Amino acid sequence: EIVLTQSPGTLSLSPGERVTLSCRASQSVSSNFLAWYQQKPGQAPRLLIYGASYRATGIPDRFSGSGSGTDFTLTISRLGPEDFAVYYCQQYGSSPVTFGQGTKVEIK
Amino acid sequence: QVQLQESGPGLVKPSQTLSLTCSVSGVSISSGGYLWTWIRQHPGKGLECIGYKFYNGRTYYNSSLESRVVISLDTSKNQFSLKLSSVTAADTAVYYCARGDTGLGKAFDIWGQGTMVTVSS
Repeated sequence: EIVLTQSPGTLSLSPGERVTLSCRASQSVSSNFLAWYQQKPGQAPRLLIYGASYRATGIPDRFSGSGSGTDFTLTISRLGPEDFAVYYCQQYGSSPVTFGQGTKVEIK
Repeated sequence: QVQLQESGPGLVKPSQTLSLTCSVSGVSISSGGYLWTWIRQHPGKGLECIGYKFYNGRTYYNSSLESRVVISLDTSKNQFSLKLSSVTAADTAVYYCARGDTGLGKAFDIWGQGTMVTVSS
């Protein structure tokens, strides 16, 4: 099973700041099948990025993904007030599908 | 517009079977290219994939739950379901149904709103 470790656990930031979230895999993620999701309280997760770097439909271009192999990054170029949430990475290149433990982005 | 909606009891007694249904609109579950998936989230915790079923019938279950889980498709009703047997308090969670899209690898692009299931006597 591929274990995904996200860091940091929590980020306290102000609107307008740039955010970089990390997701490290215990082994290489096949075909860069790595996704990022955003989850707000009481809501289902929303797909942001798939294939490590492709934005899902309707996702603003301030969200970008990068990385390959075992190290992946989600960047939010300028934090909007609606971006304060928990972010999860997920790999789907190998069974079982696994998620990281999440990074909470909170208002400073 | 594709939508998924979970339904089922919010309270299940220990040792009984948890049964949930996901109603799908906007796409046929028998169309190719999708994984019909159940994911759960324990209170205040992260996400756990329970399992999924491909349109062609191929099924994957999380090994930690495999002995207790059945996911099935009902194409006549355009629904898919989850049965989890012999539940305990550890199965208390929000249960989501989701669609995995093989066109996006297998990323989960559409989610239901989730349904809270509590296991308690």
